[in-house]
Amino acid sequence: GESVGLHLPTLSVQEGDNSIINCAYSNSASDYFIWYKQESGKGPQFIIDIRSNMDKRQGQRVTVLLNKTVKHLSLQIAATQPGDSAVYFCAEFTGANSKLTFGKGITLSVRP
Amino acid sequence: GAVVSQHPSRVICKSGTSVKIECRSLDFQATTMFWYRQFPKQSLMLMATSNEGSKATYEQGVEKDKFLINHASLTLSTLTVTSAHPEDSSFYICSARDRYGVQNIQYFGAGTRLSVL
Repeated sequence: GESVGLHLPTLSVQEGDNSIINCAYSNSASDYFIWYKQESGKGPQFIIDIRSNMDKRQGQRVTVLLNKTVKHLSLQIAATQPGDSAVYFCAEFTGANSKLTFGKGITLSVRP
Repeated sequence: GAVVSQHPSRVICKSGTSVKIECRSLDFQATTMFWYRQFPKQSLMLMATSNEGSKATYEQGVEKDKFLINHASLTLSTLTVTSAHPEDSSFYICSARDRYGVQNIQYFGAGTRLSVL
């Protein structure tokens, strides 16, 4: 069936470096993608989103890239800080069923 | 911003008891709320979609008699885990969609950690 998955389970980066978190999706009908951050024991926190008719969107220190040709989504975090340490999920939304489908999640660990 | 309050944040109960979890949209109306379940180091899995004034829609494999959902108002949905057993121990998270907002955005609660002894 359709699924959203992540390439790597963990990512360790040095404080101050840039982080790139990747996600593969398989539902070509998805029309909206979201990155969430989840800290331990808390609910997901919205980071940034992108519509399927866009290929790039920038926020504060974060950029999301969408490549529909290869069904790939990435989250770039500039100047990674200790507070960025968390689990990151990509999620896709399909208007047809109005549901969010979450990927497996990747843990970002920032080394001081 | 839109805030979703979930209560309690943590509950420990004995096997066989029922536990009710509340999900409230504090500053917006939500005709649709969602209940997710998350096991340690795993992703969020949608359990059911809660619709105000009507029956919830359950995902495949989720027992509706086990996980009772009530969405009696535009700001409150409740999930009751009936006759809880240790295998029901998990992190339960709700989300809500703003009735008048962008329909593909969900606002999440902080989650409820359920531990069944």
